[in-house]
Amino acid sequence: QVQLVQSGAEVKKPGSSVKVSCEATGGDLSRYAINWVRQAPGQGLEWMGGIISVYNTVNYAEKFQGRVTFTADESTSTFYMQLSSLRSDDTAIYYCARTIRQFDWQFPSDYWGQGTLVTVSS
Amino acid sequence: DIQMTQSPSTLSASVGDRVTITCRASESIGRFLAWYQQKPGTAPTLLMFAVSTLQSGVSSRFSGSGSGTEFSLTITGLQPDDFAAYYCQQYKSYPLTFGGGTKVAI
Repeated sequence: QVQLVQSGAEVKKPGSSVKVSCEATGGDLSRYAINWVRQAPGQGLEWMGGIISVYNTVNYAEKFQGRVTFTADESTSTFYMQLSSLRSDDTAIYYCARTIRQFDWQFPSDYWGQGTLVTVSS
Repeated sequence: DIQMTQSPSTLSASVGDRVTITCRASESIGRFLAWYQQKPGTAPTLLMFAVSTLQSGVSSRFSGSGSGTEFSLTITGLQPDDFAAYYCQQYKSYPLTFGGGTKVAI
């Protein structure tokens, strides 16, 4: 059974960066897209983009281009999302999620991490 | 970006009711539509994709319909476990976008 386990909550200052990890167990996820989705408090879901580690290719939503970086460590089956130049409106729960089909970001996600709360506050 | 608009934003219902949630896309997305359920404090779970294909393990009380720009999610015989928020998502084009959500409450 696939499981995605994310790192713990973070509190960051405006202008700093945060790196969230997502460890995959129970299967080889290198051929699947791992998407990152965030949810501001009490708000809806926002797709940030994703990575397909077997190709080492990434797809960033235009809104986050230049501020977000997705990486993967295949040796530990761990995926990372780094967001820089943090602002107060980046305060959100960040989820990693596996797409239902291999080799493409453009599918819904069936397995989700538990979420990581990132709070940006001075 | 394709905008996804859900209605209503909140829906009051009772156990046993049949409820329908609507999702409209700002342009045609064919059948590239998924629905998720989210309970407080937890990650979303995939209910169905391609408009009406149920994800493994999802009750047949959930059904979906529509194509192009108009879609709906119907829950028949509402159960206590169904009180949650529901989101539609289009995956026709980037960026993938979600509706604003519908909270099904008692």
